[in-house]
Amino acid sequence: QQQVKQSPQSLIVQKGGISIINCAYENTAFDYFPWYQQFPGKGPALLIAIRPDVSEKKEGRFTISFNKSAKQFSLHIMDSQPGDSATYFCAASPARGSPYNTDKLIFGTGTRLQVFP
Amino acid sequence: KAGVTQTPRYLIKTRGQQVTLSCSPISGHRSVSWYQQTPGQGLQFLFEYFSETQRNKGNFPGRFSGRQFSNSRSEMNVSTLELGDSALYLCASSLAGTRFGNTIYFGEGSWLTVV
Repeated sequence: QQQVKQSPQSLIVQKGGISIINCAYENTAFDYFPWYQQFPGKGPALLIAIRPDVSEKKEGRFTISFNKSAKQFSLHIMDSQPGDSATYFCAASPARGSPYNTDKLIFGTGTRLQVFP
Repeated sequence: KAGVTQTPRYLIKTRGQQVTLSCSPISGHRSVSWYQQTPGQGLQFLFEYFSETQRNKGNFPGRFSGRQFSNSRSEMNVSTLELGDSALYLCASSLAGTRFGNTIYFGEGSWLTVV
C-alpha cells in the first residue's frame, strides 16, 4: 500500500502552544520521512526529515517523533508562532533496494495550521 | 543560486483545450518531477524525468504528458482539459531524483483554472 495518512486536516493553535501533526504509513519499505512546509502562494519547502534509525529529531522548535513499530511519525511545533501558519505535508520515500516498484516521494494530504496571537 | 522557476504562474483555459506548463530546475539538477495539488487530494505525483528519460509515472490518464530537454528544463502538457484538472501544478527539482531521501525543491507552481 502506497498511502501516507495525515491528520488532522486542519489545526488551530494559540500562540505559544504546541502544534502536533500525525502521519501513518503502511509500507515497511519506507525509510525516509520528510516534512514540508507550504505558505500561501508558495511551493512546499523541506522543513525537517528523519530516517527510522532514530526515534526523534529536533531542529529548533520543530521535532519529528518516529515510532517504527507503529509505523507512525509526527511533527511537533513547540512555542507555535503566527509565522508558523502554513500547510504542512508529511511524506515518505522507499528504501534503497526495496521490492517496492516505485521510488517516488509519497505525500500525505496536508494539515492547515493556523496560529492565533 | 536561482530556484525552480515555473511559467506561467496563472492561466485560465476552456474545457477541451490543451495546456503546456514549463519548469526550469535549479542549475545542476538533472531530475524534475511534477505534482498536482488540489485542496482535497494534497500532492499527487504526476511523473519524474531524469536526464531526459521518464523514470516514474503516477496514476494519471494519458492526457497528462511531459518531457525533459537536454538542458534539464521540463514541460508538462495536458490535453482535452476537464474541469477537474483545475489545480496548482508544482514542479520540483533535485540532483538525483525523488528516490532514497534526496531533497527535492519545489517551484511556486502554475495555477490552472479550467472553465
